[in-house]
Amino acid sequence: GAGVSQSPSNKVTEKGKDVELRCDPISGHTALYWYRQSLGQGLEFLIYFQGNSAPDKSGLPSDRFSAERTGGSVSTLTIQRTQQEDSAVYLCASSLVRGSSYNEQFFGPGTRLTVL
Amino acid sequence: GNSVTQMEGPVTLSEEAFLTINCTYTATGYPSLFWYVQYPGEGLQLLLKATKADDKGSNKGFEATYRKETTSFHLEKGSVQVSDSAVYFCALRDGGSQGNLIFGKGTKLSVKP
Repeated sequence: GAGVSQSPSNKVTEKGKDVELRCDPISGHTALYWYRQSLGQGLEFLIYFQGNSAPDKSGLPSDRFSAERTGGSVSTLTIQRTQQEDSAVYLCASSLVRGSSYNEQFFGPGTRLTVL
Repeated sequence: GNSVTQMEGPVTLSEEAFLTINCTYTATGYPSLFWYVQYPGEGLQLLLKATKADDKGSNKGFEATYRKETTSFHLEKGSVQVSDSAVYFCALRDGGSQGNLIFGKGTKLSVKP
């Protein structure tokens, strides 16, 4: 079946512009995660969704970052007034369920964001 | 807070050489531990995992043993191949967490024929 997909694959924007990044999780996966991969910082957790709600937003770096998920499926990560330090690869992952036992997180190919 | 430290790369080996990538962690509770791999141009994939002390995860010839006493989860392979060239990430999921992963910074492995 289809894996996690993300769009766009690449995004170049000018400083100060807003951007939206999209994630389509694997069908039926109730948990969805956003991570950021940048030079020097490695892979950082941003936000987690269970269904449409986000019980953990602790990784969002500033109030310029927000995310939503609709219909328990597609999620969008929005970055307002982008800064050069926002340049990174944004990764989305989904998993079937969460709970006391681990359920594998399946990662998408990422969106490479470049802020000029 | 929870954290993962893994050896800095890049690591360059000849084909059939022995591989070790060191990983240590700091965590409260009893985290599950993972190795993820990112092949060139591809997304992150789970390589192996261990969910409790003394468990050994293994896959594709790679192994890692969960050592609580040394808080380590070193990745090993007895004979690497060119196709193993990739970036390897050690990660943990805290047992009481909501499931997000905490990653090390990654180690780039290049295997030469």
